Amino acid sequence: AQKITQTQPGMFVQEKEAVTLDCTYDTSDPSYGLFWYKQPSSGEMIFLIYQGSYDQQNATEGRYSLNFQKARKSANLVISASQLGDSAMYFCAMREGLNAGNMLTFGGGTRLMVKP
Amino acid sequence: GAVVSQHPSRVICKSGTSVKIECRSLDFQATTMFWYRQFPKQSLMLMATSNEGSKATYEQGVEKDKFLINHASLTLSTLTVTSAHPEDSSFYICSAQRTGIDTGELFFGEGSRLTVL
Repeated sequence: AQKITQTQPGMFVQEKEAVTLDCTYDTSDPSYGLFWYKQPSSGEMIFLIYQGSYDQQNATEGRYSLNFQKARKSANLVISASQLGDSAMYFCAMREGLNAGNMLTFGGGTRLMVKP
Repeated sequence: GAVVSQHPSRVICKSGTSVKIECRSLDFQATTMFWYRQFPKQSLMLMATSNEGSKATYEQGVEKDKFLINHASLTLSTLTVTSAHPEDSSFYICSAQRTGIDTGELFFGEGSRLTVL
């Protein structure tokens, strides 16, 4: 079974509007971390936001927030006030266990296109 | 903040030659580095986990004799694609992590785009 699933291969959003990118995960480990990365056409992976499985509050970083629904095993990324520069691939990833040396597993990605 | 540097960012080589890609953590020590491969319009697939001072751990289906990984110091891991063929053309990207409890800190290199002619 897929450990990380992103069901939206591509999405459009109007500039200045909010958009939600879906991510569901599957793990039996009670300790895990969830990540979102942005990958522009240049290829670099830009870290956006992190949510630990024991974190009580949803993570927020500027215009990015993570809607963490632990019982549903979902970790959707919400981008508020979309900008043209937000157009990129977005990857959700999970790391099982609490050790920072554990590997990341990535979802298939969602291509976000922001319309002017 | 912490930075991971990859070099070269782009490389074109002839079929049959070997190519070395370096991944450096610039301001922290990383006992573990990961090497990923990404085909166009696809996600990142883990190739191997590189551990300083020991042999790398390869994912299933990744040929260890073809993708040689050396993690000789706490700040440098190298990936050598030996006897490269056109099907090895891909985007290779490394990540380096501080040791210890997961605090969400995870850093990626800029990636290396390999084209084998």
